[in-house]
Amino acid sequence: NAGVTQTPKFRILKIGQSMTLQCAQDMNHNYMYWYRQDPGMGLKLIYYSVGAGITDKGEVPNGYNVSRSTTEDFPLRLELAAPSQTSVYFCASSYGFGTGANEAFFGQGTRLTVV
Amino acid sequence: KNEVEQSPQNLTAQEGEFITINCSYSVGISALHWLQQHPGGGIVSLFMLSSGKKKHGRLIATINIQEKHSSLHITASHPRDSAVYICAVPIQGAQKLVFGQGTRLTINP
Repeated sequence: NAGVTQTPKFRILKIGQSMTLQCAQDMNHNYMYWYRQDPGMGLKLIYYSVGAGITDKGEVPNGYNVSRSTTEDFPLRLELAAPSQTSVYFCASSYGFGTGANEAFFGQGTRLTVV
Repeated sequence: KNEVEQSPQNLTAQEGEFITINCSYSVGISALHWLQQHPGGGIVSLFMLSSGKKKHGRLIATINIQEKHSSLHITASHPRDSAVYICAVPIQGAQKLVFGQGTRLTINP
C-alpha cells in the first residue's frame, strides 16, 4: 500500500513564486488535511476536507488554497510565496476520528524554503 | 491555554532508562492519539486509545479519561527511540485533530 504520497520532498521558492504541493492517498479516506510544522512548534492545520468537493479552513489558511476534486487527491496551492511560508508541510488522511478507532496516516512531508 | 499540553518539551536520557512523556488535554474526547516523528522523517501513528492501557513492544500508553491525562512510557530505552513524540486529540465533531507541541526525546548510548 502506498498510503499517503506527498510530492515534492524538498523545494526552494523565490518570494512571489507559486507552487502546488501534491497529496494523494489510496485508502479511500474521506478526510484529508494539510498541516505546517514550524521549528519547535506543533502541527498547525491549514485546510482540511471531509470529502470530494468539500473543503474548509483550518487555523492558518492565509496564503494557501486547496481543492478536492477526487477522493484521492488534495493539492495545496501557494500563490505568492512569502518567507513566512518556509516550513515543513504534511498531508494526512483518515476515515475520521469520531469513533476513536481510526488513525491518521501522514505523508513524508515537504520541506519548503522561500528565499 | 492550548487544548493539548505535553511535558516535558525536551528529554535526554541514557540507554536503558524508563521514559515517561505526559499529555494533558482540556476537551472531551473519543480517543487520544500518540504519534512519532523521527528527525527529518515522516509522522507515524503509535497508539489510539480511549481508555485504560495499550502496549506495543517496549511502548506503553495509558489514559485517564476523568483526569484528561495520558502518558507514553518507553521501557529499556534505546537510541533508536530518539524522536519527537506528539499527542493529539480530535475536536470539532471529531473532524480534525489538535496537536500538542511535541516532546523531543534523545537517548544517548
